[in-house]
Amino acid sequence: QKEVEQNSGPLSVPEGAIASLNCTYSDRGSQSFFWYRQYSGKSPELIMFIYSNGDKEDGRFTAQLNKASQYVSLLIRDSQPSDSATYLCAVNYGGYQKVTFGIGTKLQVIP
Amino acid sequence: DAGVIQSPRHEVTEMGQEVTLRCKPISGHNSLFWYRQTMMRGLELLIYFNNNVPIDDSGMPEDRFSAKMPNASFSTLKIQPSEPRDSAVYFCASSHEGLPGTFGSGTRLTVV
Repeated sequence: QKEVEQNSGPLSVPEGAIASLNCTYSDRGSQSFFWYRQYSGKSPELIMFIYSNGDKEDGRFTAQLNKASQYVSLLIRDSQPSDSATYLCAVNYGGYQKVTFGIGTKLQVIP
Repeated sequence: DAGVIQSPRHEVTEMGQEVTLRCKPISGHNSLFWYRQTMMRGLELLIYFNNNVPIDDSGMPEDRFSAKMPNASFSTLKIQPSEPRDSAVYFCASSHEGLPGTFGSGTRLTVV
């Protein structure tokens, strides 16, 4: 059973702070890692993906991958109330199309 | 681009009835995915198609569930007979080579 673990939260941060969302996975053979954002009652939306060890930055978002520790994280700088959502970590297994999702971490940005 | 289109948005049905969920993928996408999302189990991949062919249906919970993709622009997920534990939000997603996909708005299914 391939596992993707996330703390369900909620994670509360004040507006303007850095939000740090974490995810661990069980299969060392995983190659691709994704972060989705899901607003309440809406569908998941891809916001970041990362394939190589290290950091990948896109605007206020940074994805970090450490394959040795089987750990992937998402940092959101200058958090805004509009960032309040559930963030889903997803990891591919058995080919790029087969993806397992974590339960998601609910983020609350307090104005 | 209209995105991935799912219908109906909401479905309420009685236990034992047949339920059919529909999906129109984004034009040009060659992969289609059906997911189910519940509070307890999160988002689970049920089945995916590549070029209209089912590739992996290991996530389909049991024989009551079936999925078809008769052409590149249409797919269905059928539950027969439905049970209360099938209540969930069902998402369809499509992609073109590589990424897990763009999700539709989902169908919220309630089986009473």
